[in-house]
Amino acid sequence: DGGITQSPKYLFRKEGQNVTLSCEQNLNHDAMYWYRQDPGQGLRLIYYSQIVNDFQKGDIAEGYSVSREKKESFPLTVTSAQKNPTAFYLCASSMGTGINQPQHFGDGTRLSIL
Amino acid sequence: GDSVTQMEGPVTLSEEAFLTINCTYTATGYPSLFWYVQYPGEGLQLLLKATKADDKGSNKGFEATYRKETTSFHLEKGSVQVSDSAVYFCALSDSHKAGTASKLTFGTGTRLQVTL
Repeated sequence: DGGITQSPKYLFRKEGQNVTLSCEQNLNHDAMYWYRQDPGQGLRLIYYSQIVNDFQKGDIAEGYSVSREKKESFPLTVTSAQKNPTAFYLCASSMGTGINQPQHFGDGTRLSIL
Repeated sequence: GDSVTQMEGPVTLSEEAFLTINCTYTATGYPSLFWYVQYPGEGLQLLLKATKADDKGSNKGFEATYRKETTSFHLEKGSVQVSDSAVYFCALSDSHKAGTASKLTFGTGTRLQVTL
């Protein structure tokens, strides 16, 4: 079955530490996205990538970094510069560009600060 | 900029009741509209979509009609079940630039709780 796999499901970060969240898809989708979800709020876009070796900042990119070295992988690093990283992080992908393309989501990673 | 406004929850209904979750939007172009559902501890699943005015999206008994004149995309279901308890998100995709990725703008979500 094709889908998006996010790991780990739960992640704990110490103060001053960088952590990396994994996102892998086997849907052969070109575009991939990272969102942050906070309680009582909608999803906010952190970064997105339309093709390999290319990515753009979303609405809340500060304190985060990404890479897109392979089509199927789009890892997100939460750096120590992100002062309020506790949230639920969702990765998504879509077939291609265009406003009619729905996004498919992984099951998320919940990040907490120790 | 683009925005999506959903009715505040939680919405609590008895099983077999009629459901309406209101959604209105603001967009500069001609957006596509989506409803996503999130079950506890999971990611979002696409529930239905509509890509142009007067289109009706439907899936699993849920329906929503793209109303351009009222900029609305209300979600309805005739008879809810306990298994429909989840958070529902309305979203729009409005790419202003040809060839750019389909970025979504989400509402804040509406929690639905269905009781026996």
